[in-house]
Amino acid sequence: DAMVIQNPRYQVTQFGKPVTLSCSQTLNHNVMYWYQQKSSQAPKLLFHYYDKDFNNEADTPDNFQSRRPNTSFCFLDIRSPGLGDTAMYLCATSRDRGRRGHEKLFFGSGTQLSVL
Amino acid sequence: AQKITQTQPGMFVQEKEAVTLDCTYDTSDQSYGLFWYKQPSSGEMIFLIYQGSYDEQNATEGRYSLNFQKARKSANLVISASQLGDSAMYFCAMTGSARQLTFGSGTQLTVLP
Repeated sequence: DAMVIQNPRYQVTQFGKPVTLSCSQTLNHNVMYWYQQKSSQAPKLLFHYYDKDFNNEADTPDNFQSRRPNTSFCFLDIRSPGLGDTAMYLCATSRDRGRRGHEKLFFGSGTQLSVL
Repeated sequence: AQKITQTQPGMFVQEKEAVTLDCTYDTSDQSYGLFWYKQPSSGEMIFLIYQGSYDEQNATEGRYSLNFQKARKSANLVISASQLGDSAMYFCAMTGSARQLTFGSGTQLTVLP
């Protein structure tokens, strides 16, 4: 029944060592999002894809990149993780809102990243 | 720009009682959507309820209802007959002309036996 799947559930990496988080979906939604959520804070949008159209938030660090090779998969690459990048990373999907109003987001279980 | 404010960092409620979680918002958009999500300690964001800005009736989903007061720009979540499993962080969020979902700071709800 899992609809938005994130792997791994927990990831530990060393300061400066590149890391990739993955997300897959079975909903065939064309919009995919990556959120960063630090401890006891609200999720913060990093970027989103509308189909293959990549949309970066203005304050997302250059250290964060994303790839979406097809509709089902999306990856978050952190090129040189710093200690401040320790956080939960949430992937979400939604249908194309277009003129149909405001669609809810479906979230994965998240990947808890620890940078040591 | 849109902003969501949740003024209750933590709330306690006795099992089987009702509880209201507050949410106010600010936006210049005429069309917007308001959402409540639940986040248990496991981390997953679980959708609870949605209210569109043009919906005249308050949304309800089982034990959840949304008290939408447009003139006051508030969208409070009411949970009836609280259960121990309701203990979690609750986020109010909204979308507007931008695609992104903007979250409030959250309310940690604890249901007491």
